[in-house]
Amino acid sequence: DGGITQSPKYLFRKEGQNVTLSCEQNLNHDAMYWYRQDPGQGLRLIYYSQIVNDFQKGDIAEGYSVSREKKESFPLTVTSAQKNPTAFYLCASRAKGLNIQYFGAGTRLSVL
Amino acid sequence: RKEVEQDPGPFNVPEGATVAFNCTYSNSASQSFFWYRQDCRKEPKLLMSVYSSGNEDGRFTAQLNRASQYISLLIRDSKLSDSATYLCVVKGEGTYKYIFGTGTRLKVLA
Repeated sequence: DGGITQSPKYLFRKEGQNVTLSCEQNLNHDAMYWYRQDPGQGLRLIYYSQIVNDFQKGDIAEGYSVSREKKESFPLTVTSAQKNPTAFYLCASRAKGLNIQYFGAGTRLSVL
Repeated sequence: RKEVEQDPGPFNVPEGATVAFNCTYSNSASQSFFWYRQDCRKEPKLLMSVYSSGNEDGRFTAQLNRASQYISLLIRDSKLSDSATYLCVVKGEGTYKYIFGTGTRLKVLA
């Protein structure tokens, strides 16, 4: 089945710890995105990447980092600099030339 | 003013009712419009794109009003399974950025 796989589904972070959220897609999509969703708020863009080895900051990039070494993979690291990391994190991808985004099932991150 | 605004609801409607949601957007240069459905603690899933001429998919009808800068979603013959949050999404042409509304919550009651 083609799709976007996010792992883990639930993640707990200790104070001062960096954690990495995985996002893999087998849709052959060029563009990939990371969003954060908080209760009562719309999705907010953290980072996006349109091609391999290139990515740009979104609206709330502080405290996060990404890499795009392979077309299929776009991992997100939540660093210790992100002081309020508890949220639902969603990865999305989009085919080149098309406007529709598809989402993974998300990762819920909580702080211990 | 938010870039995309939706009434958060909840809209509580009986089964079989017709319900409509509106979503307003502030950027007149916006070119692509979508409705996504999001179930509790799940990812958003595309319900339908919204075209200038309006479009229909079964019980769902979406319309775009560029002059007043809003899109609408009409659900006819509501089912219990339609209970969800409906997200309005707007994108400008040639940009990477999608702007998400906060969603409208629908509860269909038996």
